Amino acid sequence: DVKVTQSSRYLVKRTGEKVFLECVQDMDHENMFWYRQDPGLGLRLIYFSYDVKMKEKGDIPEGYSVSREKKERFSLILESASTNQTSMYLCASVPTGDRYGYTFGSGTRLTVV
Amino acid sequence: GQQLNQSPQSMFIQEGEDVSMNCTSSSIFNTWLWYKQDPGEGPVLLIALYKAGELTSNGRLTAQFGITRKDSFLNISASIPSDVGIYFCAGQLTDSWGKLQFGAGTQVVVTP
Repeated sequence: DVKVTQSSRYLVKRTGEKVFLECVQDMDHENMFWYRQDPGLGLRLIYFSYDVKMKEKGDIPEGYSVSREKKERFSLILESASTNQTSMYLCASVPTGDRYGYTFGSGTRLTVV
Repeated sequence: GQQLNQSPQSMFIQEGEDVSMNCTSSSIFNTWLWYKQDPGEGPVLLIALYKAGELTSNGRLTAQFGITRKDSFLNISASIPSDVGIYFCAGQLTDSWGKLQFGAGTQVVVTP
């Protein structure tokens, strides 16, 4: 069964900390995405990557950066965590040209205190 | 930013009832997708629509791609307790392959 694995289900971090959220997929997909999910707002795209070492900003990139050194791994970095970054973070991947939508991970619920 | 309006925001229904939700947009989409998210999990694809007017079924689920390409609906017939969850519509703009716009979600609660 194909999988997108997010390394942590729950994280609690302090304001100002540098936070790394990791995502690994085993499907050899070229494209990977990071979304955040907030009640009443749905899923909003933070960053995405079409290939190794490539990244593009989504709709809400402020306060975040990403890293994609290997095809299977896409990391989301909060350089200095703030309370307004408390949210559910979802990673997804899809192969180029696919007609069937994303495969999502189970999410990381991040709380910044 | 978010360009999809999904309604209703939540639904409380009895087992056996039919459920209907929809998404509208001011933009034209070339793909409409419907996802379901169970508590504590990521969204899972239910139905994908690729052509205006397309009507597609998946078991008790039926979804349609609006003729104007600016809307879509999802129906669930004869709801059962495991239908509980959040349902999201998602659309892909014609000039942005891979980047989906998501609706805010419809929370469905099914009571016996």
